[in-house]
Order: sequence, then structure tokens, then C-alpha cells
Amino acid sequence: SQQGEEDPQALSIQEGENATMNCSYKTSINNLQWYRQNSGRGLVHLILIRSNEREKHSGRLRVTLDTSKKSSSLLITASRAADTASYFCATVPNSGYALNFGKGTSLLVTP
Amino acid sequence: GAVVSQHPSRVICKSGTSVKIECRSLDFQATTMFWYRQFPKKSLMLMATSNEGSKATYEQGVEKDKFLINHASLTLSTLTVTSAHPEDSSFYICSATIGAGKGSTDTQYFGPGTRLTVL
Repeated sequence: SQQGEEDPQALSIQEGENATMNCSYKTSINNLQWYRQNSGRGLVHLILIRSNEREKHSGRLRVTLDTSKKSSSLLITASRAADTASYFCATVPNSGYALNFGKGTSLLVTP
Repeated sequence: GAVVSQHPSRVICKSGTSVKIECRSLDFQATTMFWYRQFPKKSLMLMATSNEGSKATYEQGVEKDKFLINHASLTLSTLTVTSAHPEDSSFYICSATIGAGKGSTDTQYFGPGTRLTVL
């Protein structure tokens, strides 16, 4: 079942600006992962944050996790046109390993 | 490393025909592969989990006889859409994990997807 819900559904910003996407989920999780998908392509794993972690960084990416609010955010700093893509959060439940994807945020970064 | 390929990348077929999609892990062994379906501007929906040497585990609502999955080797899983109809048109994506893939933090490596259009 789809658990993650991202917002906004679409985001348009200019190069150099920061992009923030949010994800909410409903049940207890083992970890939450963010993926990127270029149009008509497969997904690329960006970052994984475990349920006992609150924040994680990877390059220009910053992910936070608030298990009390069942939400996560993905921040892309100093965005580039090449960051244009759809971004999905996916949760892994405590009992299992299957990914439950949200509906994604479509990010457009204009030069 | 950890490259997953899919073939074909795009297929158009007539209603009633069967279509086979291949998912290969190119540089690693994948005991577990996953098949997803994605509608336009929609999320990925897990269809089934494919385990090498055993029957696939299908998600609720996914017809086993409609979507045949075979995972005959540690590097190849196939999805066959039998008697395809226009409503089966979609983007099908596979993923694979290194090793057994039963760990909750195992990274899934995704293939580039297959666009199926049924006329």
C-alpha cells in the first residue's frame, strides 16, 4: 500500500535556490528513503534515514525525520537545473523490507 | 557497480498478446528482485517480490496468472504480461538488492524501466 505522501506535488524554483520537499507517512517504520526519478527513467537511491536518526546529510542533500509527526523532509541546497526530476520518499515498515512509495514531488529548476 | 538493466525499454503490442520483460543485475547477484508498476505522474506500486528459485510473492490485488514472474537465476528475473489489454499499459520497473535483500536497509537498485503500450 502507498504510505508516503509528498508535498508539494510540484515545485518550481530557480537555480541557486533551495528546494524543500516533505513526506508524511502513517505507520511505524524501520527507515525512510528518498529516491530521484528523471522523466521516463528508473529510480536512483539518494539517501536512507533510519527511524532512530533525526537528520542526515549527503552532499547538497539534507534529510530530516520526525517519527513523532511521522514526517520527513528533503532539502536540496543550491539547486541546479540538473536537479530537475521527480523525488519520491519510500518507507520500509518495521516488519519487512518492501518499499512503500509516496506519490512524489515534481521539481523543476530553471536556469 | 550495482547496475540493473531492463529489456526492452519500450514495447508496443496488440491486445491479447503476451509480453516478456527482462530484468538483469549486471554486476552483482540478486537473490531478490522486485517488480513495480507506475502510472503517469503516479507513485510506484509494488507488484511482486521475486525470489530466485522459488515462487514470487504477489501483492494484494495483483493477478498471478496475469503477471507471470520467473526468477530462474541470480541475475535474471522476467515479468510476462499475459494476454495484455490496454489497461495494462504502464511503466514497469524492476529493482534488485545485493544478496538476499531481506534486510530492511538493503538498498534497492532500480532498472531504467519498460514502457508498455497495448493497442
